[in-house]
Amino acid sequence: KAGVTQTPRYLIKTRGQQVTLSCSPISGHRSVSWYQQTPGQGLQFLFEYFSETQRNKGNFPGRFSGRQFSNSRSEMNVSTLELGDSALYLCASSPRGPDTQYFGPGTRLTVL
Amino acid sequence: GENVEQHPSTLSVQEGDSAVIKCTYSDSASNYFPWYKQELGKGPQLIIDIRSNVGEKKDQRIAVTLNKTAKHFSLHITETQPEDSAVYFCAATYGQGNLIFGKGTKLSVKP
Repeated sequence: KAGVTQTPRYLIKTRGQQVTLSCSPISGHRSVSWYQQTPGQGLQFLFEYFSETQRNKGNFPGRFSGRQFSNSRSEMNVSTLELGDSALYLCASSPRGPDTQYFGPGTRLTVL
Repeated sequence: GENVEQHPSTLSVQEGDSAVIKCTYSDSASNYFPWYKQELGKGPQLIIDIRSNVGEKKDQRIAVTLNKTAKHFSLHITETQPEDSAVYFCAATYGQGNLIFGKGTKLSVKP
């Protein structure tokens, strides 16, 4: 089976812009979770989607949002980017979620 | 809030030696404990996991032990090899089953 794929792999944006990241889960997996990884804060949970519904949400501002499509593919959006949003954004999929999760390679976002 | 503490933050061993990484969790309801290995430029890779109804699990050179009473679990890597060098993360479920991660351990295996 193909693994979790994320696009794009790298992004450079400026403050105030918005960005959309995409994640395709492993075939048959219905749960998709998103994480932010930074050197200082480590891996932090953003939100989890299951069957197109947000099931859980972490402690991030409303500028961070997401959605899931009927084919389980997911997108996350960050509006009004801040310098502190620079991070590696990881997507993880799970058959039923959210425990046994398999991560994608991540999208490296740099905000200038 | 819920928390997972991981020690040590860095670990250096000689090839062939064993490596042990320890984690402590705070939520007594946690019931699933995975370990991930992250190499430079890659996403975390699930290497082994354990559920709360099991005390120990082994997979070749890797083993995980769980002490529910003390709320801690450990990763043991035997006969380490240079390709084991990476950052290792422990995690535990909390709340509705989402994962909270430790801060990571950078393991260096010297040939």
